[in-house]
Amino acid sequence: GAGVSQTPSNKVTEKGKYVELRCDPISGHTALYWYRQSLGQGPEFLIYFQGTGAADDSGLPNDRFFAVRPEGSVSTLKIQRTERGDSAVYLCASSLIQGGEQYFGPGTRLTVT
Amino acid sequence: KNEVEQSPQNLTAQEGEFITINCSYSVGISALHWLQQHPGGGIVSLFMLSSGKKKHGRLIATINIQEKHSSLHITASHPRDSAVYICAVRGKTSYDKVIFGPGTSLSVIP
Repeated sequence: GAGVSQTPSNKVTEKGKYVELRCDPISGHTALYWYRQSLGQGPEFLIYFQGTGAADDSGLPNDRFFAVRPEGSVSTLKIQRTERGDSAVYLCASSLIQGGEQYFGPGTRLTVT
Repeated sequence: KNEVEQSPQNLTAQEGEFITINCSYSVGISALHWLQQHPGGGIVSLFMLSSGKKKHGRLIATINIQEKHSSLHITASHPRDSAVYICAVRGKTSYDKVIFGPGTSLSVIP
């Protein structure tokens, strides 16, 4: 079956612009996670959704970052006024239930110039 | 001190060698994941374990909860095993965020 998909696969934007990154989880998975991975480092947690609600957004670095999951399926990570330090691979994962095995998407590579 | 540490950071092995990657953590966990990430590729979950040992093909993962330590073993290594291997832990409550280790970069030479 289809795995987790993310679009776009690559995004280049200018400093100060707004970007949206999309994640399509595996159908039926209730939990969805966003992570950020900078070059040469392990992923860092950003936000976790259980259903439509953000159960834990403690990893969002500042108020320029926001994520939604309005229907409990697709999620969008939104970054306002992008900065060069936002350049990273943004990973999405989903799991069938809370605490279940996570399945990762291919990631979106964001480059802010 | 990072909550999840891995050793070695980088590893080069000859094809056929037995490989061990270690993970130690300092927090109480409900589960530990071993993940594989190929260059430019996404992350694939290899194992999720909370006790004992799991085996899948040439891969074996063990965990010692008391010692807060886990190992990933690769038998009869092959160049296609070259990747970054990441240890990640989940906290005691199931909705806790996953904490990732820094990864171990493995290169298997023919």
